[in-house]
Amino acid sequence: DQQVKQNSPSLSVQEGRISILNCDYTNSMFDYFLWYKKYPAEGPTFLISISSIKDKNEDGRFTVFLNKSAKHLSLHIVPSQPGDSAVYFCAASGETSGSRLTFGEGTQLTVNP
Amino acid sequence: GAGVSQSPRYKVAKRGQDVALRCDPISGHVSLFWYQQALGQGPEFLTYFQNEAQLDKSGLPSDRFFAERPEGSVSTLKIQRTQQEDSAVYLCASSKYRDRSYNEQFFGPGTRLTVL
Repeated sequence: DQQVKQNSPSLSVQEGRISILNCDYTNSMFDYFLWYKKYPAEGPTFLISISSIKDKNEDGRFTVFLNKSAKHLSLHIVPSQPGDSAVYFCAASGETSGSRLTFGEGTQLTVNP
Repeated sequence: GAGVSQSPRYKVAKRGQDVALRCDPISGHVSLFWYQQALGQGPEFLTYFQNEAQLDKSGLPSDRFFAERPEGSVSTLKIQRTQQEDSAVYLCASSKYRDRSYNEQFFGPGTRLTVL
């Protein structure tokens, strides 16, 4: 059963505009969420995280929003740049799952110049 | 560089062969993880070490998969009698602390295993 879901396999946006990547989870025990970015032939690179005690975390152009009641989080990238084109993975962990990360399927973001 | 390294980067094995995949974590990192990533999917957890102790191996898909980290640094993932369904990218990650939160996992580039 897929506990972390990214329902959009791909997203295309224009340079300078906002990119919004979405993620839903089903396990109510998850309390720490992360976004990773992956370029081809490289490992995932950590972008930003959020604890369940917060509903927003911001780091430069990247902001993650968490809606616990809806079990939904989103990553906003403003402004989007062509170098942001990559696969973005949402991941989660919880007390009962220990340090392991549970990943979504990923969303391919393409930022067009 | 000071990142996580993995070798080999690519491995082709005939069905039934044994393979060994190596991970060199970031120096001093306590925690080490192995994940399996099938084509078009997100990484899936295999196993977790804290120093040399294997604390969680619940993600290993069968008893053909075995991982070790004998001195708490380098780790090896071994797959015996490989099958075609073992074809995937195997990712290793390390993190500095034992704690779960605010303890970023740094990933290596992965080993792409193809079983013919």
